[in-house]
Amino acid sequence: EVQLVETGGGLIQPGGSLRLSCAASGFSVSSNYMSWVRQAPGKGLEWVSIIYAGGTTYYADSVRGRFTISRDNSKNTLYLQINSLRAEDTAVYYCAGGYGSSIRWGQGTLVTISS
Amino acid sequence: DIQMTQSPSTLSASVGDRVTITCRASQSVSNWLAWYQQKPGKAPKLLIYKASSLESGVPSRFSGSGSGTEFTLTISSLQPDDFATYYCQQYNSYSWAFGQGTKVEIK
Repeated sequence: EVQLVETGGGLIQPGGSLRLSCAASGFSVSSNYMSWVRQAPGKGLEWVSIIYAGGTTYYADSVRGRFTISRDNSKNTLYLQINSLRAEDTAVYYCAGGYGSSIRWGQGTLVTISS
Repeated sequence: DIQMTQSPSTLSASVGDRVTITCRASQSVSNWLAWYQQKPGKAPKLLIYKASSLESGVPSRFSGSGSGTEFTLTISSLQPDDFATYYCQQYNSYSWAFGQGTKVEIK
């Protein structure tokens, strides 16, 4: 069974940094495209970043230069390093990955930016 | 970047009603279009992928159609568990895009 489990969320002060993790089982993060999507409280879904099997990465304009997507193939884990955090980065962060023609999602981790 | 527009934003319906939600893309996404159901405090649940393929375990009252720029999600007979918010998503290009959501409410 495919499972994606996000961890690393929490309460962070503005300007701080955080690394989110997405551990995969029954699914290879190195063989499929993997993405991060976020959802601010009471808002819709917003794509954040994607990494392809070959290593190519892309970012939404709102996070480019502050967020970095990466993966550790040996740990079968996807990461999102988020720096220079702003109040508007407060959201539930989901990882998602391509699975054939379908997409698998994790349950999300909450990141709250507040002083 | 591709923009996705869903309509309506809110839909009031009764149990047993046939419900249709529309999603339009600003440019062709071929058939790389997914539909999700989301309930408060929960992750999005995949219903339909590749425009018309029913995800395993999803009731057959859900169906998707369309290609290119126009897509629809249909619930043939609305059930109490179906009251939720629905999102479309294109995954044709590297920058995924989501519709703004359609909230299905009890009439």
